[in-house]
Amino acid sequence: DVVMTQSPLSLPVTLGRPASISCMSSQSLVFSDGNTYLNWFQQRPGQSPRRLIYMLSNRDSGVPDRFSGSGSGTDFTLRINRVEAEDVGVYYCMQGTHWPPTFGGGTKVEI
Amino acid sequence: QVQLQQSGPGLVKPSQTLSLACDISGDSVSSNSAAWNWIRQSPSRGLEWLGRTYYRSRWNTDYAVSVKGRIMINADTSKNQFSLQLNSVTPEDTAVYYCGNDGFDIWGQGTMVTVSS
Repeated sequence: DVVMTQSPLSLPVTLGRPASISCMSSQSLVFSDGNTYLNWFQQRPGQSPRRLIYMLSNRDSGVPDRFSGSGSGTDFTLRINRVEAEDVGVYYCMQGTHWPPTFGGGTKVEI
Repeated sequence: QVQLQQSGPGLVKPSQTLSLACDISGDSVSSNSAAWNWIRQSPSRGLEWLGRTYYRSRWNTDYAVSVKGRIMINADTSKNQFSLQLNSVTPEDTAVYYCGNDGFDIWGQGTMVTVSS
C-alpha cells in the first residue's frame, strides 16, 4: 500500500498568518490519465472529515479560497493563506491513485 | 444533495459481529456511476479504508487486506442503503466507523463502536 507521511504532527498557528502542511507519498501519485488523485480533508473536533481539496488543487464547493493545494509526484502541500479561528482541527491527505486508498496520519492545527 | 445516515449499535462483544447500515438520500445505491465505502478511524490505526460496493451491471465489492475474510459489504436496493458486517471482532476493532461515497466528499455522521464484554 502507498504510505502517506504528513508533517508536522502538530502545527501551532497565528491568526491572520499563513500556514502550510506537507504530505509525502511512498510512490508517485500521477495516474495513467495524467491526473494526480490527492485529496485534503479537514476534521474538526467531533465531526466527520470534510473534503477541502480534490485532485491535487481543486477546492470543493464552499471551501474558502484561503485554502490551496499544490505539489507534484510524491510531494504535496496544503496552504492556508491567512489562518482563521475556524481552521482549528486535524488535516489529512489521502491518495486515490493507487489501490487501496490510503490516508496520512494527520496534522493538528492549533492556535 | 447526497446525504448519508448511519445506524447500528455502539457496543459489540468480542468474537461477535459488528453490523452497521448507511442510508442514502439524494442518490441511488445501485447507480452505475457511484461507489459506496466504509472507513474507520482509531487512535492506533488512523483513518483506514475498509471496503466498498458498487453496481456495474452486477454487484462488486473490494476489501482491505487487513480485514479480508472477516468483512462483508452488501447493498439493499429496497432500502437504498449499504451495510457493513465485520465478524470475529476484537478490541482492536474499536473505532469510529464512517460510510462515504466514492469521491470521499460525502461522509456519514460516524458511529463509535466499542468492542468490549
